[in-house]
Amino acid sequence: DQQVKQNSPSLSVQEGRISILNCDYTNSMFDYFLWYKKYPAEGPTFLISISSIKDKNEDGRFTVFLNKSAKHLSLHIVPSQPGDSAVYFCAAKRDSNSGYALNFGKGTSLLVTP
Amino acid sequence: DSGVTQTPKHLITATGQRVTLRCSPRSGDLSVYWYQQSLDQGLQFLIQYYNGEERAKGNILERFSAQQFPDLHSELNLSSLELGDSALYFCASSAAGTGNINSPLHFGNGTRLTVT
Repeated sequence: DQQVKQNSPSLSVQEGRISILNCDYTNSMFDYFLWYKKYPAEGPTFLISISSIKDKNEDGRFTVFLNKSAKHLSLHIVPSQPGDSAVYFCAAKRDSNSGYALNFGKGTSLLVTP
Repeated sequence: DSGVTQTPKHLITATGQRVTLRCSPRSGDLSVYWYQQSLDQGLQFLIQYYNGEERAKGNILERFSAQQFPDLHSELNLSSLELGDSALYFCASSAAGTGNINSPLHFGNGTRLTVT
């Protein structure tokens, strides 16, 4: 049961343009959302997060938008750079005292071309 | 470098065998998490340990077990291996045991297990 879905397996964007990566979730109990970036042969690295009480969080070139009513979030990268080429994973967690079990999507492979 | 160390990087074994994957968390982190990434799946949460005790359990098979030792390193034991167990196994660590938003997960580079 995939509770976090990234429906675009891949995305290609030109350098300098905006990259928009999308993520949908089904569990309304999720209260915290994260994006991780993964380069080949490395583990995922934390990129940016957003709490369910917010609808936007910005960190430099990266902005995450959350639409709770639509159960949808997106990651915007502006401007995109070749070094941003990686697999991006959307993840979500429930408010729980029993751990920090993240539900991950299958990832979107972003290619930024010069 | 995340500070999380996983060994070995690659493991090739036969069906029916048993293997042990090892993880050393970042210095100071008390929680260790294990995730499995199969070819057609995202990262699937397996299990979490906090300061030596099991804290949360995900989609971990009964053939798999884990433990966290007093020095906080963790081992994931996979037994009676099947072809479908071939995957990337990631370990992650965090400072907190609960869902502390100020304590994100830091992942190791993974162990690639191939079962033939």
